[in-house]
Amino acid sequence: AQSVSQHNHHVILSEAASLELGCNYSYGGTVNLFWYVQYPGQHLQLLLKYFSGDPLVKGIKGFEAEFIKSKFSFNLRKPSVQWSDTAEYFCAVNARAAGNKLTFGGGTRVLVKP
Amino acid sequence: GAVVSQHPSRVICKSGTSVKIECRSLDFQATTMFWYRQFPKQSLMLMATSNEGSKATYEQGVEKDKFLINHASLTLSTLTVTSAHPEDSSFYICSALQRGSYNEQFFGPGTRLTVL
Repeated sequence: AQSVSQHNHHVILSEAASLELGCNYSYGGTVNLFWYVQYPGQHLQLLLKYFSGDPLVKGIKGFEAEFIKSKFSFNLRKPSVQWSDTAEYFCAVNARAAGNKLTFGGGTRVLVKP
Repeated sequence: GAVVSQHPSRVICKSGTSVKIECRSLDFQATTMFWYRQFPKQSLMLMATSNEGSKATYEQGVEKDKFLINHASLTLSTLTVTSAHPEDSSFYICSALQRGSYNEQFFGPGTRLTVL
């Protein structure tokens, strides 16, 4: 069974700072990878996803993530955050052999100070 | 885009009663829907996979008789928490897989269940 770990539970940073959230997964087979965001009081929204091809994936709102297969990692980045990026971020993995089931990481709460 | 709704958004019930939560895909057909549970300040845990016209597949440790799932149409799945107890209090979230697409789930806004 696959598992997903997110290294940081809480991140606090100032506007315009750069953000990087770590995500590692454990599964030996082919995976699809996702980052979701949950703004306060709102439902989960897809930020970006990786299925195949270019390991550097660009998503919405200026976010990007890089899939490094050798490190089983899919870290999320944003060069310059805004106050509106305050949210909880979840990394998720779908092992293709497991059908469409998603396994989520523990989430990282990001607080951007204005 | 693909929209998923849940009803109710919040429910408070007494211990021992049953509560039904609906999950609807509003503008697409979903052969597969998923039910998750999210405890405060924790991540989403998959409870079960709901397939239209067939029995749900439950994850290990989830009581199928406690959490009844019905997926009677391509746009509706229901989760019934039977004989609810305070420990069932949680945030329940559904997602729907768009028919014809691959591996993208669209999430509902969640239902906050409080059992007194």
